Amino acid sequence: LAKTTQPISMDSYEGQEVNITCSHNNIATNDYITWYQQFPSQGPRFIIQGYKTKVTNEVASLFIPADRKSSTLSLPRVSLSDTAVYYCLVGDLTGSQGNLIFGKGTKLSVKP
Amino acid sequence: EAQVTQNPRYLITVTGKKLTVTCSQNMNHEYMSWYRQDPGLGLRQIYYSMNVEVTDKGDVPEGYKVSRKEKRNFPLILESPSPNQTSLYFCASSLSQGGYEQYFGPGTRLTVT
Repeated sequence: LAKTTQPISMDSYEGQEVNITCSHNNIATNDYITWYQQFPSQGPRFIIQGYKTKVTNEVASLFIPADRKSSTLSLPRVSLSDTAVYYCLVGDLTGSQGNLIFGKGTKLSVKP
Repeated sequence: EAQVTQNPRYLITVTGKKLTVTCSQNMNHEYMSWYRQDPGLGLRQIYYSMNVEVTDKGDVPEGYKVSRKEKRNFPLILESPSPNQTSLYFCASSLSQGGYEQYFGPGTRLTVT
């Protein structure tokens, strides 16, 4: 299983772009990178998933360099409601991997 | 509405009294999983199930049991709860193995005194 490393916390201000980087040096060929968002006392919610290069949806962008040993979640123009914990995971969509490691995530605090 | 439901949402119990937390999903997902969340420790996987009658240990399985007799249900059983199992528990499901998008339940806050 590829272990991920993220900053424990980040601070930002409303309207800024926030980039959270995740390191996954031992990522396997079949692994995809997935990011989740969690608000206090709620279950995590899927944000975005990608395999390589760049993926964008209505909420965020995910940048993955060619070596795939890291990834960056980009949140454009954050608001107070983006204050949450963000988790990076790597997981296999083609095999039989069931054991997932969420880790401690990155606590993002957005200030007015 | 596609969802994962958990019951109860809140539970206060005493040491040693067996309890079951139910989890049900209505999306015909093959994969289901249980997590516990403790302050400063993030989400840790307890058990997971790749399909009916197939379960396996996660990172913190001690003191827990699970079963998967039907595709939609994945109950978490604490046969003899202890205070160190006081935690916030989440059930999740996904289409197939864990790499797919997981849908989480609302959580069960358990206190063992």
